[in-house]
Amino acid sequence: EAQVTQNPRYLITVTGKKLTVTCSQNMNHEYMSWYRQDPGLGLRQIYYSMNVEVTDKGDVPEGYKVSRKEKRNFPLILESPSPNQTSLYFCASSLRQGFGYTFGSGTRLTVV
Amino acid sequence: DQQVKQNSPSLSVQEGRISILNCDYTNSMFDYFLWYKKYPAEGPTFLISISSIKDKNEDGRFTVFLNKSAKHLSLHIVPSQPGDSAVYFCAAKRPRLGGGGADGLTFGKGTHLIIQP
Repeated sequence: EAQVTQNPRYLITVTGKKLTVTCSQNMNHEYMSWYRQDPGLGLRQIYYSMNVEVTDKGDVPEGYKVSRKEKRNFPLILESPSPNQTSLYFCASSLRQGFGYTFGSGTRLTVV
Repeated sequence: DQQVKQNSPSLSVQEGRISILNCDYTNSMFDYFLWYKKYPAEGPTFLISISSIKDKNEDGRFTVFLNKSAKHLSLHIVPSQPGDSAVYFCAAKRPRLGGGGADGLTFGKGTHLIIQP
C-alpha cells in the first residue's frame, strides 16, 4: 500500500530534550515536506526537500532541523524542544512538481 | 502576511445541495492550486488541483474554478453528501525559482464544511 508513515503518533516530552520524528514514504517520491497544524493557523510549512541532500526552509523553520540522506526518509529533528512547539505535525510527499501531496497520519507532540 | 486566505471558518449546507468553498490569494507567482480534505485524526487527503493556466478543472462531483484576475478560486461540490463533512484546505504552490530554488505549498487556514441531513 502506497503511504507516508510517521512515528510516533503521539509524543509527550520535556523542554530541552532532543527528539526526532521519523517520516518514510514507499512511493519513490522526490518531494517531501513537514507541516505543523495549529488551531486558527491552519497548516504551516516547516521544511521541504526536492530530492536527496536538497532541503529548504518553509515558513516556520525556527527550532527545527531536517535531513534527506535517502529518498524515502525525511526525519524532523527538534534539538531543544520548547512548549511553543506543541502541535500536530504532518509529513507529506509528492511525485513531482504540481502533483498532490500524500500526507501521513500525523504526530501529536506535547512539550511540557 | 497570509498569502492564501479562506475567510469562512465554517460552512453549513443541506445534503443534496451545492457546497461552494472559497479561497483568495495574494501572490501572483503561484502556479498551481490544490484542495485538500481533512477528517479528524487523519492527515489531509488530496482532492483536486488546477494549473494557473486553466480556469476550470472537474473531477466527478468536485469542480475547481480559478479567476486569476481576481486572485480567487472556489471549490464546488455537487451534490453534497454527508461524507463530505470535513475541513477543506486551499493550498497554493510556489513555482520553482531559477537555479537552486525549491517549491512548496502554502495553505489557507481551512473551512469546516458541515453537511446537514
